[in-house]
Amino acid sequence: DTGVSQDPRHKITKRGQNVTFRCDPISEHNRLYWYRQTLGQGPEFLTYFQNEAQLEKSRLLSDRFSAERPKGSFSTLEIQRTEQGDSAMYLCASSRLAGGPGYFGPGTRLTVL
Amino acid sequence: QKEVEQDPGPLSVPEGAIVSLNCTYSNSAFQYFMWYRQYSRKGPELLMYTYSSGNKEDGRFTAQVDKSSKYISLFIRDSQPSDSATYLCALEGSNYKLTFGKGTLLTVNP
Repeated sequence: DTGVSQDPRHKITKRGQNVTFRCDPISEHNRLYWYRQTLGQGPEFLTYFQNEAQLEKSRLLSDRFSAERPKGSFSTLEIQRTEQGDSAMYLCASSRLAGGPGYFGPGTRLTVL
Repeated sequence: QKEVEQDPGPLSVPEGAIVSLNCTYSNSAFQYFMWYRQYSRKGPELLMYTYSSGNKEDGRFTAQVDKSSKYISLFIRDSQPSDSATYLCALEGSNYKLTFGKGTLLTVNP
């Protein structure tokens, strides 16, 4: 069990640029989640995959955001035309299909200048 | 009213103190209750996980759930400086997603 990994750990970009983050879940976990956390707040749910199917998306996830999980393994989160309000920590978590808690990765900290 | 309310603190205690952290919630559909610890600029780390009312103990940590009052607590005994972090309560319903409190910033002073 190597844990959830995320790449990159930090990303600095200019407003209007596109960015893509990657998450590798714990290998036997079928569920994968993306959350966003801003300073002084708890993480907020963005979207959730069960295997390769994206089952739920938050209203926080505007049309500029897209997430994929091809073949039910790793996942990517892309933000197009970034805005300064997108600056946050993007967290990935995974859990077993049979239930149980979510285990989080170290996060990707995005700064939009 | 937010679904999950958590006092953000900050909370400062001397080493060895008993710490009590609390959350209240409004949605009775929440079935699973978790506490995460988050160090600065790191991802949340799972501390405790429970799905029933009552107490669950793990070392110096005790999680308490009262579903009738919609109230959950985390107690830390013999607190250590290494316990200094933000503590997040997280609740899960049948839709498998977590709803978090804002987190309580704890500092344990040597």
